[in-house]
Parts: sequence; C-alpha cells; structure tokens
Amino acid sequence: DAKTTQPPSMDCAEGRAANLPCNHSTISGNEYVYWYRQIHSQGPQYIIHGLKNNETNEMASLIITEDRKSSTLILPHATLRDTAVYYCIVRVAIYYGGATNKLIFGTGTLLAVQP
Amino acid sequence: NAGVTQTPKFRVLKTGQSMTLLCAQDMNHEYMYWYRQDPGMGLRLIHYSVGEGTTAKGEVPDGYNVSRLKKQNFLLGLESAAPSQTSVYFCASSYRGTGNTGELFFGEGSRLTVL
Repeated sequence: DAKTTQPPSMDCAEGRAANLPCNHSTISGNEYVYWYRQIHSQGPQYIIHGLKNNETNEMASLIITEDRKSSTLILPHATLRDTAVYYCIVRVAIYYGGATNKLIFGTGTLLAVQP
Repeated sequence: NAGVTQTPKFRVLKTGQSMTLLCAQDMNHEYMYWYRQDPGMGLRLIHYSVGEGTTAKGEVPDGYNVSRLKKQNFLLGLESAAPSQTSVYFCASSYRGTGNTGELFFGEGSRLTVL
C-alpha cells in the first residue's frame, strides 16, 4: 500500500472550515484514500473514503486531485469536538478474494480546534 | 448492538506473566485485527484474521499470539510479557463482501502496563 504524508499538527478556529491535506504521490490506480480520526484515547473512527471522485457525507468532504497524488479532508464547520488526530490512509480495494482489508496507520495530523 | 468490545480495559502485569486480551464483535464481521498504539507511533498492526480458524501476522507480531476459534471472537495472547509491550491495544473488525466500504470498526482500547 502507498505511503502518505501529513502535517503533524494544524489549528483551526471554531466554526471555520478545517482543511487537512494528505500527500500520496505513489498511489496506485486501484488504491482508495481513507480518512479516520481518533479522539483522545478512543478507538479510531471512520470518516470517509474515495477513489477518484470527490465524496461528501454527513461528517466531511473529501477532495482528491485529478492526478490522485494528494487529497484534502474538509470539515465544513469545525467544532471543539472535532479536535482529534486525523489519519489519511491509502489501500487497495477490498473486493477481491484474499484481500485482507487491513489498514496501515501513520502518525496522522493533530487538529486543534480553538474557541 | 454493542459493536466491538474489548476486555479487560486496563491491566497491570509483571514481566514474564502471561495474559489474554479478548475482542468480541456482534456484527458478524469476517475480518478482525489487533493493533497497538504507542506515543508518537500511530497504530501498528499486530495480527489479523480473515475468518474463523485463520490468523496472519501484521507489522509487529513478535511476542504475541492470536486465535480465532469463533467468528465473533479474536484473542490476543502475551505468553511472557515484557515492558516493551506496555501499550494501548485496539481491536477492530470489518465486513467482507461486495459493496462494503472497507470501514473498520474499533473497540475502545485496552491499556496494558508491564512492570
């Protein structure tokens, strides 16, 4: 699976959009981009994933560049409860026999939402 | 549904003692995983299982054994605990099948201290 690069930390004002970048320059054509977050001491929580189209759900939006070498997770209106470590992960599709669905986590970005 | 449940949540061991962490999931997931998390290291995959009766090594398997005798349970064993195994352990599970998102569901973690 391709490696990812994220900034170690970011700040965001409460109520503003938080834009978290991720570089994955060695991503392969069949690898998806996943985002998880981990609020202090809790288990990681799935946020969103995508292949090449932009995706949006009730939690966030995922913008993937046309060359798929980078992506941005957008939290449209950050709250104090969004303070967490955000992990960007790329991995192969899990629809094939033998695929394990395992995810390799890096160290992520610590997003601090300021009041 | 309880989701993914880990027991115990906290444990203190002396060097050389053995113990087993239990992970139980009630979502009928085929895949299960054990991760460990250390400060500044992110999550690292220890072992995983793609189905009942199967196990496989992850990134950091040394010093651990696992068993998947029942689909809903995944056990992580430490035969002779060492201080380097002081960590927070997370269990996760995921569904295998066409159309699934690849989302991992995590437990709340088990904090283990080895003196």
